Amino acid sequence: RKEVEQDPGPFNVPEGATVAFNCTYSNSASQSFFWYRQDCRKEPKLLMSVYSSGNEDGRFTAQLNRASQYISLLIRDSKLSDSATYLCVVTLNNAGNMLTFGGGTRLMVKP
Amino acid sequence: DAGVIQSPRHEVTEMGQEVTLRCKPISGHNSLFWYRQTMMRGLELLIYFNNNVPIDDSGMPEDRFSAKMPNASFSTLKIQPSEPRDSAVYFCASRHVRAAYTEAFFGQGTRLTVV
Repeated sequence: RKEVEQDPGPFNVPEGATVAFNCTYSNSASQSFFWYRQDCRKEPKLLMSVYSSGNEDGRFTAQLNRASQYISLLIRDSKLSDSATYLCVVTLNNAGNMLTFGGGTRLMVKP
Repeated sequence: DAGVIQSPRHEVTEMGQEVTLRCKPISGHNSLFWYRQTMMRGLELLIYFNNNVPIDDSGMPEDRFSAKMPNASFSTLKIQPSEPRDSAVYFCASRHVRAAYTEAFFGQGTRLTVV
């Protein structure tokens, strides 16, 4: 079983739709959680951190469920520019700073 | 700051040749990571360094791969001899760990093709 698992998609949605991605992690000792975004042929970039109480940044909402060991990302009113691959990232801070990435979920927003 | 700088951006080499990828992390960052990305396997951590010391190299595929970080501002990933299955995008990332939620910044990657 992979340490961090994501549905690879692709998720094909129309502009304006709401879309949600989930990510599960296997190590219950995981400490920090992030969503990164990667555009085609580009490097990954931080989209947002995921805090225990959940957090929101504009159209994006991230949630953490430690009991079930998953994190989620909700995108409201999706834009064409949201088309990208979204990577779930988990760290075990007692293992130094190692960042473990999920395989990514591809989102395609259509006009 | 110029961000994480990787070179070369593209490399095409023949099977059996030695390949050296280079990375300059963001000044002041104390952690450096080398990742490999392919369509089939996604982003795989190869090795990471804390304060120039290799912490976990369990992701290095085999003895043909080696990485060094002689100082805080430079790291190399070497493949010798290279094979076609090494073709991938290799990313370097750096991070300064002050607290749990600190961002890792990635370089633009080196696209390696071994023919």
